[in-house]
Amino acid sequence: DGGITQSPKYLFRKEGQNVTLSCEQNLNHDAMYWYRQDPGQGLRLIYYSQIVNDFQKGDIAEGYSVSREKKESFPLTVTSAQKNPTAFYLCASSNGQGHTDTQYFGPGTRLTVL
Amino acid sequence: GESVGLHLPTLSVQEGDNSIINCAYSNSASDYFIWYKQESGKGPQFIIDIRSNMDKRQGQRVTVLLNKTVKHLSLQIAATQPGDSAVYFCAETPPGKLIFGQGTELSVKP
Repeated sequence: DGGITQSPKYLFRKEGQNVTLSCEQNLNHDAMYWYRQDPGQGLRLIYYSQIVNDFQKGDIAEGYSVSREKKESFPLTVTSAQKNPTAFYLCASSNGQGHTDTQYFGPGTRLTVL
Repeated sequence: GESVGLHLPTLSVQEGDNSIINCAYSNSASDYFIWYKQESGKGPQFIIDIRSNMDKRQGQRVTVLLNKTVKHLSLQIAATQPGDSAVYFCAETPPGKLIFGQGTELSVKP
C-alpha cells in the first residue's frame, strides 16, 4: 500500500527531553511537511522540505528541528526549547515542490508533555 | 443544513439531508483551494479541490463552489451519511503558501 506513516501514534515526554517523531512516505513525493494542530485551530506549518538535503522553516519553527537525508523520510525533533509542545503533529507530502500541490497527510502523532 | 464557516464551528444535520459547509478565504491572490475531511484522532483526508479559473467542481456526492467576488468557498455533501461526521476544513494557496481554515465540525443525526 502506498501512503504516509507516522510513528508513534501517541508519545509522552517529560519536560526538558527532546523527542523525535517519525514520518515515512512511499509515494515517491518530492516535498514533505510538518504541521502542528491544536484544539480549535487550523494547521500551522512547522518545517517543510521540497527536496532531499534541503528544508525551510515554516511559521512556527522555533523549538523544532528536522532533517531530510532520504526522500522517503522527514523526521521532526521537538526540542526542550519548545515552550508548549503538547499537540497533534501531522506530516504531509506532495508530488510537486510547490505549496499549491495537493498535500496528503499521515495519521498523526499525539505528543503529550508530562 | 448550512454553516457560516469559521463563525459557526458546528453543523448538525439529519441523515439523508444535504449539508453545506462554508469557508471565507482571505487572499484574493489564492488560485487553488482544497477541502479536507478529518475524523477524530486521524490525519486530514483530501476530498476535492478547485482552481480559481473554475466556479464549480463535482465529485462523488460532493460539490465545491467558488465565488471569487466575495472570496467564498463552499462544500456541499449530498445525502449526508453518519460516516460523513468529521471536521471539514478548507485550505487556500496564496503565492508560496498553503493556509488552512479552522474547520467546521459536521455531526450527522441518525
